[in-house]
Amino acid sequence: DTGVSQNPRHKITKRGQNVTFRCDPISEHNRLYWYRQTLGQGPEFLTYFQNEAQLEKSRLLSDRFSAERPKGSFSTLEIQRTEQGDSAMYLCASSLAGGNPNSPLHFGNGTRLTVT
Amino acid sequence: AQSVAQPEDQVNVAEGNPLTVKCTYSVSGNPYLFWYVQYPNRGLQFLLKYITGDNLVKGSYGFEAEFNKSQTSFHLKKPSALVSDSALYFCAVRDYGGATNKLIFGTGTLLAVQP
Repeated sequence: DTGVSQNPRHKITKRGQNVTFRCDPISEHNRLYWYRQTLGQGPEFLTYFQNEAQLEKSRLLSDRFSAERPKGSFSTLEIQRTEQGDSAMYLCASSLAGGNPNSPLHFGNGTRLTVT
Repeated sequence: AQSVAQPEDQVNVAEGNPLTVKCTYSVSGNPYLFWYVQYPNRGLQFLLKYITGDNLVKGSYGFEAEFNKSQTSFHLKKPSALVSDSALYFCAVRDYGGATNKLIFGTGTLLAVQP
């Protein structure tokens, strides 16, 4: 396994359409994170899964956003009724569970969403 | 709440010269600090992490970071910059103690190395 995989790499959609992104974490990692990054900013936390349980959602995650990790492996992030403000890079990261706070997150290459 | 600050939007350095990218932190409890690098249209790559007790931490690609508790800083350094080091650099702190252990990132510093 070579790392965290995200698909698609790029997505262009019209305002009002729904989009779905997929993340495949490193296989033995049971922690999965979604972040959003806009131009000139650092990544902002969106949501977190431990196995299949979604344990935290940021206030950035409006009702139009939903994330799932049905079998504790891959995850999907869906945005309904997209708005131009949703244009950003969506990053997925994974890590091992456990009590080691020094364990880094491993990021995928992201999905760049452009809403026209 | 945990936070990091990167005071410089951009750092310019000539190839072969030493470089420093600054980061200061604010934490309650022990600091768990990280540096990541991002190349255009790519995700973040882990460079190094702070290890308790080590004031100088070595990482990937010849980078190192200097931890200073009294100044609450964790600056990224490299003795001799390469043009290929030009990228966006992020400092991050772990939000430890909650359910997620998520990383909180700074706003990033663009490093430009001139040949």
